[in-house]
Amino acid sequence: RKEVEQDPGPFNVPEGATVAFNCTYSNSASQSFFWYRQDCRKEPKLLMSVYSSGNEDGRFTAQLNRASQYISLLIRDSKLSDSATYLCVVSRSYQLTFGKGTKLSVIP
Amino acid sequence: DTGVSQNPRHKITKRGQNVTFRCDPISEHNRLYWYRQTLGQGPEFLTYFQNEAQLEKSRLLSDRFSAERPKGSFSTLEIQRTEQGDSAMYLCASRGQGASSYNEQFFGPGTRLTVL
Repeated sequence: RKEVEQDPGPFNVPEGATVAFNCTYSNSASQSFFWYRQDCRKEPKLLMSVYSSGNEDGRFTAQLNRASQYISLLIRDSKLSDSATYLCVVSRSYQLTFGKGTKLSVIP
Repeated sequence: DTGVSQNPRHKITKRGQNVTFRCDPISEHNRLYWYRQTLGQGPEFLTYFQNEAQLEKSRLLSDRFSAERPKGSFSTLEIQRTEQGDSAMYLCASRGQGASSYNEQFFGPGTRLTVL
């Protein structure tokens, strides 16, 4: 079993739609959780950290359920510029473990 | 440019040749990481340096791979006797000191290796 598993993509949604990505992780010792965004042929960039209390950054909301080892990302009012691959990431001390990523295409 | 830089950006080589990549981290960052990413996959951890000390190596890092960070600043990743399976994007990331609970790593643009 992969340490971090994500929804298979791709997700093709119209502008303005709400889209949710789910992720599960297998190592209960994981300490930190993130969503990274990766544009085509570019490097990953941190989108947001994920906290147990849930956190929001504009149109983006992230949730963490440690008991279920489940992480989610909700994007509201999708923009064309949100088109990218979204990577679920967990960390134990120094090492980041990435999921395969879910590709999102926002269509006009 | 104060971000992570990597050189070269692209490398095409023939099977069996040796290649070396360079990473220059953000100047005040003491932690440096190498990852490998193949098509359709997320980045996979290869190795980690804190200052000049290589503290961890993944099982993915075979004997043909070696990484150095001699002065605790830039790092090199060398692949000897390249194989077609080594074709991938090699990403470098750096991170500064700080609370361990928030450990954002900043990635460079990567070196895309193609082994013919």
